[in-house]
Amino acid sequence: SQTIHQWPATLVQPVGSPLSLECTVEGTSNPNLYWYRQAAGRGLQLLFYSVGIGQISSEVPQNLSASRPQDRQFILSSKKLLLSDSGFYLCAWSVGAASGEQYFGPGTRLTVT
Amino acid sequence: EDKVVQSPLSLVVHEGDTVTLNCSYEVTNFRSLLWYKQEKKAPTFLFMLTSSGIEKKSGRLSSILDKKELSSILNITATQTGDSAIYLCAVVEGYSGYALNFGKGTSLLVTP
Repeated sequence: SQTIHQWPATLVQPVGSPLSLECTVEGTSNPNLYWYRQAAGRGLQLLFYSVGIGQISSEVPQNLSASRPQDRQFILSSKKLLLSDSGFYLCAWSVGAASGEQYFGPGTRLTVT
Repeated sequence: EDKVVQSPLSLVVHEGDTVTLNCSYEVTNFRSLLWYKQEKKAPTFLFMLTSSGIEKKSGRLSSILDKKELSSILNITATQTGDSAIYLCAVVEGYSGYALNFGKGTSLLVTP
């Protein structure tokens, strides 16, 4: 069966510090991978998606970036965090776009102080 | 402007009640609509509805898609305290093929 991991589970970082969140998927090959952010009072917002190694599409311009160095690894980064980057970050995977079903990891709660 | 709107935003019911959650959408080239349940952390998949599958049922949960009205409902019968969660509706647009457009969710609290 497929499993998706995210770490860390929680993170408190000062403004201006760098960020690296990691997501890995087990039990499937060549998944589509996604990063979402859920801010207080707002719906889940798609940040990035990837259909393969090195292929990243950005949905929302911001100071975040994503990378996919391996087939089942997806990384969310920032060089300098802003207060507005606080939120709940969720990684998800899917078999392909056609199904639409995406499966979510446990998430990372980021607080920027 | 939000592409997916859910109502109500929050709801409190007693165990045993039946609830109906609403989701309306406005997207070009509709592909599918999905319902998720979010408790503490990760949303868990409930149903996917498409033009070829407009009604789904699993136990006490059921969902219907109304393509004419651009909406969907999620029904929960004989609610239990374990049904307390945020219920998320998301719509997939055909041209993007990947992005789930989420509503803000309905927070359901079932009291004993």
